[in-house]
Parts: sequence; structure tokens; C-alpha cells
Amino acid sequence: DIVMTQSPDSLAVSLGERATVNCKSSQSILYSSTNKSYLGWYQHKPGQPPKLLIYWASTRESGVPERFSGSGSGTDFTLTISSLQAEDVAVYYCHQYYSSPFTFGPGTEVEIK
Amino acid sequence: EVQLVQSGAEVKKPGESLKISCKGSAYRSTSHWIAWVRQMPGKGLEWMGTINLGDSGTRYSPSFQGQVTFSADKSINTAYLQWSSLKASDTAVYYCARLGASGTGDHYGLDVWGQGTTVTVSS
Repeated sequence: DIVMTQSPDSLAVSLGERATVNCKSSQSILYSSTNKSYLGWYQHKPGQPPKLLIYWASTRESGVPERFSGSGSGTDFTLTISSLQAEDVAVYYCHQYYSSPFTFGPGTEVEIK
Repeated sequence: EVQLVQSGAEVKKPGESLKISCKGSAYRSTSHWIAWVRQMPGKGLEWMGTINLGDSGTRYSPSFQGQVTFSADKSINTAYLQWSSLKASDTAVYYCARLGASGTGDHYGLDVWGQGTTVTVSS
């Protein structure tokens, strides 16, 4: 199985500041024939289902604010919130869908400082 | 609007059986895989596996193989998750989610989620 790790476990950022979440896969999740990394990022708030923010490592899902961006390829990935808003407080998960079982990272809790 | 609607919360005793459902609407569900995801209290998301609503093909995570059963009824766009003998450790919120696919069949993540079904197993 591909193991996903995330860092940090939690972070506190001031409103309007940048938040960065890192994700690493235990093996490459880059599909050579499409040149896409099969990596998604989800936002999960209490009492709600998770929400897809980013897919193929860097493609923003329709309707997701531009302050959310994803980068990386192969085994190392980053989710950036360029200017943290109060409504962004949540747990963020990375998720590989390259090889079954499609595993999640352990999550990173983002809070307001 | 594309939706997945899950069945309601359940309270069961250890050893009892249970089947929960996930009904899709407003899209051609047989062209997609439905995933099941577990979230135990205070924990993160765990991948359980997937089922294809078109042919009922299944892929289980090794952690859940033999512990649960996925099934589907494509005539009503519904996927099911069932247990034959529940344990207290099955207490969790269970989500179904659609594995999105582009026109070329390229997967792009879990783009539509059900609201979650809370399962509580307690004597």
C-alpha cells in the first residue's frame, strides 16, 4: 500500500496570512502516460462531509476559492492557502488515487492564531 | 444537482447485522465507482474500498477485506455497505463518495460525497 504522510500535524496561522500543508507519498504517484500526479486535497469541517479542493495535485475543483492552490509532483506535494480566512478552519487531508487501496494522509488541522 | 444521499443513523448491539445505503441522483451512476470511507471518533479518514455500480465490481482495502461487504443495485442507483456481525470498534461515521472521472475515464478524486451515516455499536 502507498503510505501518505502529512506535516505538520497542526498549524495556527493569523487571518490573512499564508498556510502551507505538506504531503508525501511513499512511492511516486505520477502516472507517466498522462503526466499527472493522482493526488487530491480535501477540506473537512466538523459535522460536514469532506470537500474536494484540488485534484491531479494542482487543479482546483470548480467553485473552490483561488486562495487554495496545490503544487508538487511524484512524491512531494503542497497545499497552500494564500490568505487564511475564518471559514478555512478545518482538517485538510491529502489522498492518493494512483494505486488501490487509495489511501489518505493522517490530516493537518488548520486553526486561527 | 448531483447528490449522494445516505441512510440515517443506526444504533446497534454487538453481533447484530447492518446494511446502510447510498443513493445517487442526477448523474449516470453506472459510469462511476462509489467509494466507502470510515471516520472513527476523533480520527482521520480511512479508505475502505470501492464498488462499480455498473457491474458491481469491488475493490476492498486489505484492512476491511472480509470485515464488510459492498453491494449495489444499479436499477435504483444505490450502493450498500453491510456487516454480518458488528463490533464496538465499528462505531464510526461512514461516508460514501463518487470517484470522479473525466470524459476519458481519468479519475480525479472524490468529487461528490454523501452526508455520512453514523453507526454506533454498543451493548
